[in-house]
Amino acid sequence: GENVGLHLPTLSVQEGDNSIINCAYSNSASDYFIWYKQESGKGPQFIIDIRSNMDKRQGQRVTVLLNKTVKHLSLQIAATQPGDSAVYFCAEKGNYGGSQGNLIFGKGTKLSVKP
Amino acid sequence: EPEVTQTPSHQVTQMGQEVILRCVPISNHLYFYWYRQILGQKVEFLVSFYNNEISEKSEIFDDQFSVERPDGSNFTLKIRSTKLEDSAMYFCASSESRAGGDGYTFGSGTRLTVV
Repeated sequence: GENVGLHLPTLSVQEGDNSIINCAYSNSASDYFIWYKQESGKGPQFIIDIRSNMDKRQGQRVTVLLNKTVKHLSLQIAATQPGDSAVYFCAEKGNYGGSQGNLIFGKGTKLSVKP
Repeated sequence: EPEVTQTPSHQVTQMGQEVILRCVPISNHLYFYWYRQILGQKVEFLVSFYNNEISEKSEIFDDQFSVERPDGSNFTLKIRSTKLEDSAMYFCASSESRAGGDGYTFGSGTRLTVV
C-alpha cells in the first residue's frame, strides 16, 4: 500500500528568538544521547551530545538538557538564524549487551525560522 | 574536514533487481554502519560492521541485505532483490570508536527508488 509516512511536528520561530526542541526517549538503559540536524537532501549532522551522568551541556549557541527521571531530552538554540531551519533528531545509544554503537533515532522536529 | 562519501546519490532500479550502494568511510574509522530513512520518517538502523564482520543488525536487515568491505576503503550495502518498500534514503556512517560523539559521521546518502 501507499507509504503515508509520519507527520513531523513543526516548530516555527522568528529569527533571533530562542528555540526549544523536545524529545522523549524510550530506553532507560541508554547512556548517551546526540542531537542531529538534517537539512533537505543531506545526512544527519552532529550538533551536540550528552552522557547520562550529566544533565546539561552547552555548545556554541546550543544547549542540551537531559532529564533521566522522565526520559526527556531537549535542545535549545539561542538566537535562531535562518540557517538553523532543518529537521532535528535526537538519537540515543545504549551501553547494553552487545550494543556496537548503533543509534536509535527519534521522530524528528522540523524547525522553520522566519526572517 | 574528513567526510563519508556515498555513491551514487540517486539510484533508480526495477523491482526484483539487485542494487549495490557504495560508501567510503573516513580512513581511520573502524566502525561502519548503514541506516535508512523512508521519506518523511525517522532514520532507522540497519547494520553495524567491525573487524570485517557484522556486529549487530536490526530486524529490517533480512536475508535480502548484505554488507561487504571488499577492500581497504569501500563499504557496500547490497540488496539482492529489491522491493517497492525498499525505496528510501540509505545513509552510511562511520566512527572511530563505539563511543560516538562528533566522530560519528554520516554520509549524504543514496536515494534509492524502486519502480
